[in-house]
Amino acid sequence: AQSVTQLGSHVSVSEGALVLLRCNYSSSVPPYLFWYVQYPNQGLQLLLKYTSAATLVKGINGFEAEFKKSETSFHLTKPSAHMSDAAEYFCAVSDWGGGFKTIFGAGTRLFVKA
Amino acid sequence: NAGVTQTPKFRVLKTGQSMTLLCAQDMNHEYMYWYRQDPGMGLRLIHYSVGEGTTAKGEVPDGYNVSRLKKQNFLLGLESAAPSQTSVYFCASSYSSGINQQFFGPGTRLTVL
Repeated sequence: AQSVTQLGSHVSVSEGALVLLRCNYSSSVPPYLFWYVQYPNQGLQLLLKYTSAATLVKGINGFEAEFKKSETSFHLTKPSAHMSDAAEYFCAVSDWGGGFKTIFGAGTRLFVKA
Repeated sequence: NAGVTQTPKFRVLKTGQSMTLLCAQDMNHEYMYWYRQDPGMGLRLIHYSVGEGTTAKGEVPDGYNVSRLKKQNFLLGLESAAPSQTSVYFCASSYSSGINQQFFGPGTRLTVL
């Protein structure tokens, strides 16, 4: 069965510092992996997705994520945090085999300090 | 294009009352979903639909019903609201499952007293 674990419900960084949000998954078949961002009082928006092409995926707003099969990880990074990055981030895994199934992680709230 | 819209944005109900949440999408997507979001629990799938006239149960379907009479609309009903259904409800749609991203509405904040 699929599952997604996001390590750390809250992450705090200083403006200009590296952002690292961790996501580990389990899937019995090659997965599709997604990162979504949710700004306050809004719905989720796609940041980036991995679909078995390049293992390093670049998304919007300077974010990127690297698929590491050996570590079953898909961590999200951004070299330099900006105040506008403060939001909640969700990792999700989708299982192509057997039809529909997308599982979302519990989310990580990112705080950016001035 | 409006994308995915939800009606209403906020609602307060008393225990035992009923209501319907409406979701509409203008992207001609086949798949539509209803989630609830609770603190520390991420998004949990309530029901979903893979096409007009079809519905299926998700992870937490109890206490909810859905209908997809038209491709662009997906309705979520609460027949007898309970305080445990206090949550933020999100509708989403996608072209298909798996590889395709989901597009989310702005959410409905429901409080059941």
